[in-house]
Amino acid sequence: DAKTTQPTSMDCAEGRAANLPCNHSTISGNEYVYWYRQIHSQGPQYIIHGLKNNETNEMASLIITEDRKSSTLILPHATLRDTAVYYCIVRRGTGTASKLTFGTGTRLQVTL
Amino acid sequence: GAVVSQHPSRVICKSGTSVKIECRSLDFQATTMFWYRQFPKQSLMLMATSNEGSKATYEQGVEKDKFLINHASLTLSTLTVTSAHPEDSSFYICSAETGMVEQYFGPGTRLTVT
Repeated sequence: DAKTTQPTSMDCAEGRAANLPCNHSTISGNEYVYWYRQIHSQGPQYIIHGLKNNETNEMASLIITEDRKSSTLILPHATLRDTAVYYCIVRRGTGTASKLTFGTGTRLQVTL
Repeated sequence: GAVVSQHPSRVICKSGTSVKIECRSLDFQATTMFWYRQFPKQSLMLMATSNEGSKATYEQGVEKDKFLINHASLTLSTLTVTSAHPEDSSFYICSAETGMVEQYFGPGTRLTVT
């Protein structure tokens, strides 16, 4: 699976949009971009995923560049409860061999 | 979303003893379950992948005789840490998937070996 690069940490003011970037320049055509987050001492939580098109759900939006070499996760109105480590992962679709490989992620701190 | 539970949430055991951790998918059948380990201030590391009714596939460097995985049904997988030592103290997390796109994670089990 392709390797991803994320900033180590970011700060965001509560109520503002948090934009978390991810580079995945070696992504293959059949690999999806997934985002998970992990709040301290809990299991990871799925946020969103996409292949080519931008995606939006109740938690976030995912913007994937046309060449698919990078993406941005957008939390439109960050709250203190969004403070967590956010992981960008590329992964072949589904199937038993399709592992999630976690990098170091971005530690997002939402402040008052 | 789908729910995955783990039991126990915390366990303390003495060096040399064995500990069993359960992972259950509560409202769906999991074709595949994964076990991860996370040391303090580090990311999750995949230990093994298990499919119901078959032997687990272990990642490189993970001792299969030390970390016994049983996936007896589509809703239950167990991880047994045998002859635990202090260096096995860690946060163990399982996940499950149905063959669809998402993987659902349990809340984790914190193991402390004294």
